[in-house]
Amino acid sequence: AQSVTQLDSQVPVFEEAPVELRCNYSSSVSVYLFWYVQYPNQGLQLLLKYLSGSTLVKGINGFEAEFNKSQTSFHLRKPSVHISDTAEYFCAVSDRDSSASKIIFGSGTRLSIRP
Amino acid sequence: DAGVIQSPRHEVTEMGQEVTLRCKPISGHNSLFWYRQTMMRGLELLIYFNNNVPIDDSGMPEDRFSAKMPNASFSTLKIQPSEPRDSAVYFCASSLNSGNTIYFGEGSWLTVV
Repeated sequence: AQSVTQLDSQVPVFEEAPVELRCNYSSSVSVYLFWYVQYPNQGLQLLLKYLSGSTLVKGINGFEAEFNKSQTSFHLRKPSVHISDTAEYFCAVSDRDSSASKIIFGSGTRLSIRP
Repeated sequence: DAGVIQSPRHEVTEMGQEVTLRCKPISGHNSLFWYRQTMMRGLELLIYFNNNVPIDDSGMPEDRFSAKMPNASFSTLKIQPSEPRDSAVYFCASSLNSGNTIYFGEGSWLTVV
């Protein structure tokens, strides 16, 4: 079974500062990894995903994440945040060896941007 | 594409009443998921279907909850009888096979009083 741990429930940062949201996963099989964003009163939407290949993945809105197999991590980063990035961010994992695999989400990290 | 469509968007009901939430996945997707989101428990997977067949319902809280997927374009999540602790946002999502993006609906906001 897979699990996802997001160590930080809330991350406050100043506008234009860099940010890193941490994600660690646990799995006995190979995995796909995802980051989703949820803006207030909306559903979740995909930011980026790692399926295979390059361990550095670039997503929408200037976000990127790096897959580190040895540390079982998939941290999300952005070099300079904007007020519009205020949202909740979810890391997720699924089993890559199953065509009918469920996606497990972490508990989420609330990113708040201060002007 | 219209995306994943959920109804109702908002529902307020009295304790003991039956609640039915509906979902239309994206056309062509073969996996459908029901999630529940609350402040206390975060985002929980309740059940998911693949090719209309329930694969894992271990997240369904208790017998009051049931889900069906009679065809590839429609699913329901039913709560009977409803209780105040069922108040939450219920999301339906769909995807085309594992590893592909999972697309969420806008959620059904349920309040049980």
